[in-house]
This record gives sequence, C-alpha cells and structure tokens, in this order.
Amino acid sequence: EAQVTQNPRYLITVTGKKLTVTCSQNMNHEYMSWYRQDPGLGLRQIYYSMNVEVTDKGDVPEGYKVSRKEKRNFPLILESPSPNQTSLYFCASSLSVGEQFFGPGTRLTVL
Amino acid sequence: GNSVTQMEGPVTLSEEAFLTINCTYTATGYPSLFWYVQYPGEGLQLLLKATKADDKGSNKGFEATYRKETTSFHLEKGSVQVSDSAVYFCALRTRGNYGQNFVFGPGTRLSVLP
Repeated sequence: EAQVTQNPRYLITVTGKKLTVTCSQNMNHEYMSWYRQDPGLGLRQIYYSMNVEVTDKGDVPEGYKVSRKEKRNFPLILESPSPNQTSLYFCASSLSVGEQFFGPGTRLTVL
Repeated sequence: GNSVTQMEGPVTLSEEAFLTINCTYTATGYPSLFWYVQYPGEGLQLLLKATKADDKGSNKGFEATYRKETTSFHLEKGSVQVSDSAVYFCALRTRGNYGQNFVFGPGTRLSVLP
C-alpha cells in the first residue's frame, strides 16, 4: 500500500530534550516536506526537500533541522524543543509534479 | 509571495444543503490548485485538483473550477451529508527554477447536522 508513515504519532516531552520525528514514504517520491498545523493558522511549511541531500527552509524553520540521506526518509529534528513547538506535525511527499500525499500526523506536546 | 485565502469558518449546514467554500489565491505564474480534506484525527487527503485555467476538478460530489480571471477556486457540493463534516484546505502549487512550492489556506471547518 502506498503511504507516508510517521513515528511517533503522539509525543509528550520536556523543554530542551532533543527529539526526532521520523517520516518514511514508499512511493519513490522525490519531494518531501514537513508542516506544522496550529489552530487558526492552517498548515505552515517548516522544511522541504527536492531530493536526496537537497533541503531548504520553508516558512517557519526556526528551531528545526532536517536531513535527507535516503530518498524514502525525511526525519524532523528538534535539537532543543520549546513549548511554542507544541503542535500537530505532518510529513508529506510527492513526485516532482503533482499533489502531495500526507502522513497521519504527529501530535507533539512540549512541557 | 504566493498566498491562499479561504472563507472563515466554521460553516454549519443541515444535511442535503448546498455548500460553497470560497477560495482565492495570489501567485506568480500559473499555479496548480487543490482542495484537501482533513477528517477528525487524520491527515490531509486530496479531494480534487485542477492544473490549468477553466479546468474543473470533481470527486465525491464536490466540484471546483479554476477561474484565472478571478483567481478563484471555490469548492461546491449540491447536497452535503453528515459524513462530509471535516476541515477543508485550499492549496496551490507553483514551479520555479529551484523546484516546487506549496501554499495552503488556513482551512475551513464544515459541520453538517442531521
């Protein structure tokens, strides 16, 4: 089944404790992206990747890092999480043209 | 820069009512346009799309027409069902020299009452 998977689905952590949210797709898509969804703000893009080893900042990259060492994986790294990073996070992938396919989301709470 | 504006929700309708959710955009070039739907507790799913002016996207009884002259992509359905209750996002995609860029609207929450 073609899908985008994210792990974990839910995470509660404390300020400053490094964490990684994994994202994997099995559709051989070149393009991958991370978004955060906050009430009243819709989806905002954090980082995106056009292909392996090619990443760039989205609209709200501060406090986040990404890497794209393999085509299928695009982890999101929070080196020192803060409470304002409490949010619902979505990973998405697509071919170089076409619509995006979204993962199920990761709900992160930073205390 | 590129942007998408949607009508503010929430929108509450009775079953079998007519639905319109307005979407307008600002973009350079010729974007592709999308409507995504998010059911409670789930990720976004593509509902329909249109890639050029005057194209009509349709799916599950929903329709939207790409209107370049009014820079709009309004979502319509003739008769909504309780199962259509969800958040709807309008989005655009543009392509440039360095790849593609997606921009989403803020979402419109639809509640359909039996």
